[in-house]
Amino acid sequence: EDQVTQSPEALRLQEGESSSLNCSYTVSGLRGLFWYRQDPGKGPEFLFTLYSAGEEKEKERLKATLTKKESFLHITAPKPEDSATYLCAVQAKGGSEKLVFGKGTKLTVNP
Amino acid sequence: DAMVIQNPRYQVTQFGKPVTLSCSQTLNHNVMYWYQQKSSQAPKLLFHYYDKDFNNEADTPDNFQSRRPNTSFCFLDIRSPGLGDAAMYLCATSSRGAGDEKLFFGSGTQLSVL
Repeated sequence: EDQVTQSPEALRLQEGESSSLNCSYTVSGLRGLFWYRQDPGKGPEFLFTLYSAGEEKEKERLKATLTKKESFLHITAPKPEDSATYLCAVQAKGGSEKLVFGKGTKLTVNP
Repeated sequence: DAMVIQNPRYQVTQFGKPVTLSCSQTLNHNVMYWYQQKSSQAPKLLFHYYDKDFNNEADTPDNFQSRRPNTSFCFLDIRSPGLGDAAMYLCATSSRGAGDEKLFFGSGTQLSVL
């Protein structure tokens, strides 16, 4: 069974204090690993897709990396507007494009 | 902008009273999904449609049904809501075969059961 575990469950940072979120996964065959951002009371918003170990993608203050067992979302010099829950999900090879999600990391960035 | 639209944003129903949630999309995607997300939990897939082909997850209760009358619309029917069905319901779409596997989500419907 495909599984995704995210840590920590919650993270508080001061504005400008860089950190990383972790996503560990087990999947029969990885088609893609996805990062989404979710604001309270809203649907997830797509950030990145990673397909193979060693791949990295960046968007503004966020950088996502992938190994064979885990992914990291690095946040450099975060701002209060980066506060949200960050969800990680895996998509297995074969069949549908359905995503299996982790519970997320709730990030709070204080000014 | 092309998007996934869910109505209503908030829905209140009574214990045991049937309720229908709706989702529409302007992306012309061939796959539509319904996820259930409880507070501080991972979104959990209930079922999905690939065109008109319905795919139910093994652990989705029989109380949950879905309809997709055309490409643009999909409905989630909860036949007899229980207190445990209170959650955010997320509709998502994707385009199988287009080489872009990501899911696009609507803003969700927050369901309360009294």
